[in-house]
Amino acid sequence: QVQLQESGPGLVKPSQTLSLTCTVSGGSISSGGYYWSWIRQHPGKGLEWIGYIYYSGSTYYNPSLKSRVTISVDTSKNQFSLKLSSVTAADTAVYYCARDKPPYGAFDIWGQGTMVTVSS
Amino acid sequence: DIQMTQSPSSLSASVGDRVTITCQASQDISNYLNWYQQKPGKAPKLLIYDASNLETGVPSRFSGSGSGTDFTFTISSLQPEDIATYYCQQYDNLLGFTFGPGTKVDIK
Repeated sequence: QVQLQESGPGLVKPSQTLSLTCTVSGGSISSGGYYWSWIRQHPGKGLEWIGYIYYSGSTYYNPSLKSRVTISVDTSKNQFSLKLSSVTAADTAVYYCARDKPPYGAFDIWGQGTMVTVSS
Repeated sequence: DIQMTQSPSSLSASVGDRVTITCQASQDISNYLNWYQQKPGKAPKLLIYDASNLETGVPSRFSGSGSGTDFTFTISSLQPEDIATYYCQQYDNLLGFTFGPGTKVDIK
């Protein structure tokens, strides 16, 4: 079965760029049919969708984060990545990667999540 | 953007009780409404998609209904393992995805 695993630094300094990668196993991003998203959860708070990418490279971002977000895909490595620039303490959160089951817009498979703290 | 509200924000119920959570969208989202269960320290788990469809492998005591702006999630007989926070989530192909603020369910 398809599994997702996030990886990346757990600590990022303010004003720097947060970079995370999601590795997909048990299935190929290139097979199409699914969108691949990043979602975050601030400590003790609710869930916020960041953006998604399709295997072709087409993306769509949350308008509230769009100016700072870049999501990319590497089909040869079966990975997709998140870059969030100019981070502040408000970007401290657990970051999840997830698969979107179209056309329902439902996230049916999630990674375990990775905690990222923004601090000097 | 589309705002989602949930009520109640928390509830306590006894094992075997019927539990109902409501979710309201700020505009018509048709059936593009999904429900998730999140246990502490874990990723959310999809329970219901397209307002009323049970995800594969999810117990039948979970159900969902509604369309347009008003939706309901029900646990027909609360079990100890159902202690979690439940989130609704909408999808709009122009505006993206939004989650509700969550409902924390405890055992009384």
